Amino acid sequence: ETGVTQSPTHLIKTRGQQVTLRCSSQSGHNTVSWYQQALGQGPQFIFQYYREEENGRGNFPPRFSGLQFPNYSSELNVNALELDDSALYLCASSNRQGPSYEQYFGPGTRLTVT
Amino acid sequence: RKEVEQDPGPFNVPEGATVAFNCTYSNSASQSFFWYRQDCRKEPKLLMSVYSSGNEDGRFTAQLNRASQYISLLIRDSKLSDSATYLCVVILISSGSARQLTFGSGTQLTVLP
Repeated sequence: ETGVTQSPTHLIKTRGQQVTLRCSSQSGHNTVSWYQQALGQGPQFIFQYYREEENGRGNFPPRFSGLQFPNYSSELNVNALELDDSALYLCASSNRQGPSYEQYFGPGTRLTVT
Repeated sequence: RKEVEQDPGPFNVPEGATVAFNCTYSNSASQSFFWYRQDCRKEPKLLMSVYSSGNEDGRFTAQLNRASQYISLLIRDSKLSDSATYLCVVILISSGSARQLTFGSGTQLTVLP
């Protein structure tokens, strides 16, 4: 196991609602990245947090937002949910000072929007 | 064009077979390269890093050709437990200096008894 945890495991929401997903990073890691994985696709980069600030973002609209806390845990918030937001949401923790840039994934939160 | 493209698969091979996966990437500024493995309904897990000099880990061999922007993974003597989706991954430094993993769509491998 990677030591990265996510909650909840599964979630069902209605279109237009808001959702918050949570991630606890592996001990010793200071960076958290979030990814969206639609069925049959590879994960897509949403954004990355380091030192409680967003320091990179993929091609996702502003209704996807996040936070990182002093203990390096993180939240992903999605407003005004759309049907296409149904996906597996993965967080990955890493150490920015690490030499190999390896990222370790949590088990994911499976979000279904109806 | 996708930034990382893989063989679409699926690959169905008998136990003991050798199977090769290919991947190309479009951004020549890509810095690091990996193969991840993802089991059904699970998170991706790092299989191995990929270097220009080639690297081997047991039955797995990975190769990078920077000039052709091509990455490969060879699995020898396939086992039933190798059945999974294999994801080709490159790292780009995005705006803001984030190290962004860019994934291919994955190639599904099923090893048959």
